[in-house]
Amino acid sequence: ELKVEQNPLFLSMQEGKNYTIYCNYSTTSDRLYWYRQDPGKSLESLFVLLSNGAVKQEGRLMASLDTKARLSTLHITAAVHDLSATYFCAVDKEGGSEKLVFGKGTKLTVNP
Amino acid sequence: KAGVTQTPRYLIKTRGQQVTLSCSPISGHRSVSWYQQTPGQGLQFLFEYFSETQRNKGNFPGRFSGRQFSNSRSEMNVSTLELGDSALYLCASSLRIQGGEAFFGQGTRLTVV
Repeated sequence: ELKVEQNPLFLSMQEGKNYTIYCNYSTTSDRLYWYRQDPGKSLESLFVLLSNGAVKQEGRLMASLDTKARLSTLHITAAVHDLSATYFCAVDKEGGSEKLVFGKGTKLTVNP
Repeated sequence: KAGVTQTPRYLIKTRGQQVTLSCSPISGHRSVSWYQQTPGQGLQFLFEYFSETQRNKGNFPGRFSGRQFSNSRSEMNVSTLELGDSALYLCASSLRIQGGEAFFGQGTRLTVV
């Protein structure tokens, strides 16, 4: 059974600081996704990581994938208040019984 | 282009009733999947449809069912509602059944009283 673990689950940080969210998954996977969710809203796709060593950046967010370690990271650089949201990683496994398996999410609060 | 559209956005139902939720995928997308989101269990996969056929099903009781129409629109139905069915139900569409990036709708907030 594919399991996805995120940590930390809660993250409070000051504006201007850097931090990393970690996503571990239990079996080999084909694709890893990062999503953002604002309170009461749907999931917004941030990154799709398809291969080992993949790195993608958008603004202050950078995601990477290490398939050998079964680990993805979401790095936040110089956080701003607008980044406050819950971030989910999700894994898609070819032939798996579920379309996407999600982590429990990391609730990020960026304080002025 | 238009995104994934879910209707209704909000629903209040009484225990024992049934409910039908609707999802219109992005034009050209043939895969529709459904997820339940609750504070306790997080995001859980319900089922996926592709070309009018259910391809995968999550670990939910038979009260949860769905279908897909020839135009790729999908509906999910929950019968004999329980308080624990209160959740945000999210629909996602993708171009293909495997490896396609999933785009989510705004969700339907179901409250069972």
